[in-house]
Amino acid sequence: EPEVTQTPSHQVTQMGQEVILRCVPISNHLYFYWYRQILGQKVEFLVSFYNNEISEKSEIFDDQFSVERPDGSNFTLKIRSTKLEDSAMYFCASSEAHNEKLFFGSGTQLSVL
Amino acid sequence: GENVEQHPSTLSVQEGDSAVIKCTYSDSASNYFPWYKQELGKRPQLIIDIRSNVGEKKDQRIAVTLNKTAKHFSLHITETQPEDSAVYFCAATDDNYGQNFVFGPGTRLSVLP
Repeated sequence: EPEVTQTPSHQVTQMGQEVILRCVPISNHLYFYWYRQILGQKVEFLVSFYNNEISEKSEIFDDQFSVERPDGSNFTLKIRSTKLEDSAMYFCASSEAHNEKLFFGSGTQLSVL
Repeated sequence: GENVEQHPSTLSVQEGDSAVIKCTYSDSASNYFPWYKQELGKRPQLIIDIRSNVGEKKDQRIAVTLNKTAKHFSLHITETQPEDSAVYFCAATDDNYGQNFVFGPGTRLSVLP
């Protein structure tokens, strides 16, 4: 069964550093998302992406965050200057069509020191 | 925007008993309601979903019911097994272009042998 893949599985960085989290959505999917989950808390929406542009973003997704689809397979989340409170599990997700099942990647655990 | 509440936050049942988790949503335009199971340290996985044109859906030991008038939906697990122990998240979304899935805060289900 096709899966959303994410790299790296763990990322440790110093406060103020830039990080890029990478995702390969399922190949025939058209909608891409980033969510985050702070330990023990709920899954929070960051951003959705369709047709090479952001379609919706939450208040968490401020100017420090950006997303990109640099080629036909990768979907990246960049955090420009990390803060301690950015420490969380970041999940990439994709869906085949609008309002269809959402498939999650295995996540990147980001630790900001 | 949409707000999803979920109860209870923790639930312990004896193996073989039934478990029920309830969610309410605020946006009457929401029309797709998935349920995700997340085992410790793993990605959320879709276990069942329901659309607003259906009142109930069943898949083996799992069922979901939807009451659009009251804006609530519930997950029912019968004949619970220890492997059902996990955190369960409900979610809601509508036909907005951005397709922002809003998740509930989660229910930690423990099935005691």
